[in-house]
Amino acid sequence: GQQLNQSPQSMFIQEGEDVSMNCTSSSIFNTWLWYKQDPGEGPVLLIALYKAGELTSNGRLTAQFGITRKDSFLNISASIPSDVGIYFCAGQSPDTGNQFYFGTGTSLTVIP
Amino acid sequence: DSGVTQTPKHLITATGQRVTLRCSPRSGDLSVYWYQQSLDQGLQFLIQYYNGEERAKGNILERFSAQQFPDLHSELNLSSLELGDSALYFCASSVPLGAGANVLTFGAGSRLTVL
Repeated sequence: GQQLNQSPQSMFIQEGEDVSMNCTSSSIFNTWLWYKQDPGEGPVLLIALYKAGELTSNGRLTAQFGITRKDSFLNISASIPSDVGIYFCAGQSPDTGNQFYFGTGTSLTVIP
Repeated sequence: DSGVTQTPKHLITATGQRVTLRCSPRSGDLSVYWYQQSLDQGLQFLIQYYNGEERAKGNILERFSAQQFPDLHSELNLSSLELGDSALYFCASSVPLGAGANVLTFGAGSRLTVL
């Protein structure tokens, strides 16, 4: 099956710092999605990427679809306490009928 | 509100019992996905339906089954429950945006506790 490696597993940062996390896959994807999940809630879509090389921003968040189509990163600039949560990447594989695969998540803690 | 509705939000039951979780997808979405998330774990894909038909199966146990009805709502049936089935169960829906590109929209989840 598809393998999605997400790193880092957890991050502890000071408020105001920038954050970077990434996902790599064992095969190409045609869609990359980034989600944020608050405790006990469902994941909420942050950014969707559909083309290799695409760079998309959503406020303080920026994500890129890697040129190789096997990776993606998410950056958060000037972190604030409400950025706390678990961030998941998800990719859609054309090799398996466009099924979605999720990374294992990055737990972000922002220290005020 | 994501537009994906899941009920019940919380459910407590005993081992050996059977429960049904319900999902109403976002208006216009034809696909429904079910995911299981155990404590501090990632999202495990269980099963997908598209317009009433099973489209893909993930790590779904034989004790679990699902279906999607003509009105596109879906139910996930969990039987012979075990302690390890305690988890958050999420439903997500999607509609193709073109060229196979999709966005998954998640519900708020159903938290199942098996005692």
